[in-house]
Amino acid sequence: KAGVTQTPRYLIKTRGQQVTLSCSPISGHRSVSWYQQTPGQGLQFLFEYFSETQRNKGNFPGRFSGRQFSNSRSEMNVSTLELGDSALYLCASSLAEGIKYQETQYFGPGTRLLVL
Amino acid sequence: AQTVTQSQPEMSVQEAETVTLSCTYDTSESNYYLFWYKQPPSRQMILVIRQEAYKQQNATENRFSVNFQKAAKSFSLKISDSQLGDTAMYFCAFMKSRNTDKLIFGTGTRLQVFP
Repeated sequence: KAGVTQTPRYLIKTRGQQVTLSCSPISGHRSVSWYQQTPGQGLQFLFEYFSETQRNKGNFPGRFSGRQFSNSRSEMNVSTLELGDSALYLCASSLAEGIKYQETQYFGPGTRLLVL
Repeated sequence: AQTVTQSQPEMSVQEAETVTLSCTYDTSESNYYLFWYKQPPSRQMILVIRQEAYKQQNATENRFSVNFQKAAKSFSLKISDSQLGDTAMYFCAFMKSRNTDKLIFGTGTRLQVFP
């Protein structure tokens, strides 16, 4: 099976712009989670989607949003970019059959976002 | 709220030797999962090993094993016969077992394996 894929891999934006990142989970996986990784804050949970519904949300401002499509692919959007949004954004997927969550997540290679 | 602490920012080990990375966590949950993930310079996060809290037996995966002490809330990773390819950041992570895939990560331990 192909792994989790994320596009684009690298992105440069300027302050005030918006950006959309995409994540395609492993085939058959229904849950997608997003994480932000920075040198200062480490790995922080952004949000989690299952069956097109947001199940959990981390402590991030409303500028960060996401969605999941019927094929389980997910996108996250950051509006009005700030310098501090520069980070590696990681997507992870898991099987999550029905209401019983599988416990192992598999990560994509990440999207490195640089905000100038 | 759950927290995960990795008190060793950096460690080094010689090739073929054994090294142990420490992790402690805090939770009021009785059932949960613990993970070790490896992040090499490529930044790809790779699952190393996982442990279900309700299982008393320590998990092992080839050269990797854990020492899970539930009462002490300790979850250390032992790497035997270290290889140059083990050089990476290692993250300990916690997940509640119900209705979430949310991982709470520690700050990581940078492991350098020397020839």
